[in-house]
Parts: sequence; structure tokens; C-alpha cells
Amino acid sequence: QVQLQESGPRLVKPSETLSLTCAVSGVSITTYYWSWIRQTPGKGLEWIGYIHYNGNSNYNPSLKSRVTISVDTSKNQFSLNLNAVTAADTAVYYCARYNWNDVGVGDFDYWGPGTLGTVSS
Amino acid sequence: QSALTQPPSASGSPGQSVTISCTGTSSDVGAYDYVSWFQHHPGKAPKLIIYELFRRSSGVPDRFSASKSGNTASLTVSGLQIEDEADYFCCSYAGNNNFVFGTGTKVTVL
Repeated sequence: QVQLQESGPRLVKPSETLSLTCAVSGVSITTYYWSWIRQTPGKGLEWIGYIHYNGNSNYNPSLKSRVTISVDTSKNQFSLNLNAVTAADTAVYYCARYNWNDVGVGDFDYWGPGTLGTVSS
Repeated sequence: QSALTQPPSASGSPGQSVTISCTGTSSDVGAYDYVSWFQHHPGKAPKLIIYELFRRSSGVPDRFSASKSGNTASLTVSGLQIEDEADYFCCSYAGNNNFVFGTGTKVTVL
């Protein structure tokens, strides 16, 4: 049974870096792509990006300059770093499996329950 | 790109049907048959119920169906049940390895 669980600091100061981790269980992290998605009060759900353990990745152009997603195969988890945050980055952050075999377009087929990341001084 | 537009709410009595629209543009919903739908009970993980426009995920009852016409995709829940009360949102491929999500619809079972 595939399960994902987000974790990380809930409160970050403006201009600092929001760092979140997604622990994956029930499947090896090397066999799929993995993604971050967020939900803000103002813009709704927004795809942030995805990564494969081999380094293949892609990011939302609107966030690309501030986002890094990485994979830790030894811990079967992946992470999100969003730097230079502002109040507009306050959101519920979800991690999800991006089920894609490099052909066509994949699907976000398993999600975590989400974690609230708040940007405030 | 802009979020896909969904009605904020929809409702129906048990046994009735409810249809939720998801309106995009010719650059996302209208351009690709890669629209998916998710059911989200607050506080829990969102669940993929429809992918590739109309395909049901494993274990999803056939009361859930979906289609597309032009730039608008639709999800229909037939024979509403109490457990169908949840938030529903759509997602479309938008080209160039990019995705756009819907604004979400809260379905209430009266």
C-alpha cells in the first residue's frame, strides 16, 4: 500500500527557505516520479514540480527560479526547498506520486494528506 | 497559466446525480485528453478517481463518470451516497510538462 507523508517546519520567516520532506512507504522511490503540489487561499491548487531519482526533473515556470526538489534514495523520501518565501507562499503543501513512464502524460495517483506551511515574521 | 474554473459548490439528495464542470482553455483542457479528477475529504489525502479524461481508477465505482466537450470537462456522480460528500477538483495537462488544477467544488449530499 503506497503511502506518503509530508513533514517539516510549519512556520518560516519571509525571505527564508521553506523545506519540506515527503516520506514514501510501500514502494521504492526509484521506480516512479515524485511531485509537490500546493494549495493557497488565493490561487487554489498549483503544481510545483516533479523529479525522478535519476535527476530528471521539471518545475512550474512561475516557481522555477526559487524551487529545488531532490530525492534521498537511502531514506526513500524526497524534499522540497522553496527559497525567498513571502506571505504568498503560505499554503498547504502536498506531495504526490507522479505515475509516468516517459510516454504521454502521467497522473498524480497517490497523495499525502498535506502540511500547512506558513510564512510569517 | 490560470486555474481551471469549477463551480464552488454543488449538491444533491441521496440517489440523485450531480455534475461538476471544469472549464479551461484551448491550451489545456481543450488541447489534451489528459484531464483527471480527484476526491478530497478534508484532512485526508486527495484520491485520484478519474484519469485520462474518463478512465476510473481501480476500485472507483461506476457511479463516477467523466467526459469533455471543447474546453470544458465534466464529472458526474450518479446515485449520490453520503460518502460522496467531499471536495472535488480537476487537473489538466497544459503542455510543456506543465499542469493546471481546478478551483475545486464542494459537493454536499442533502
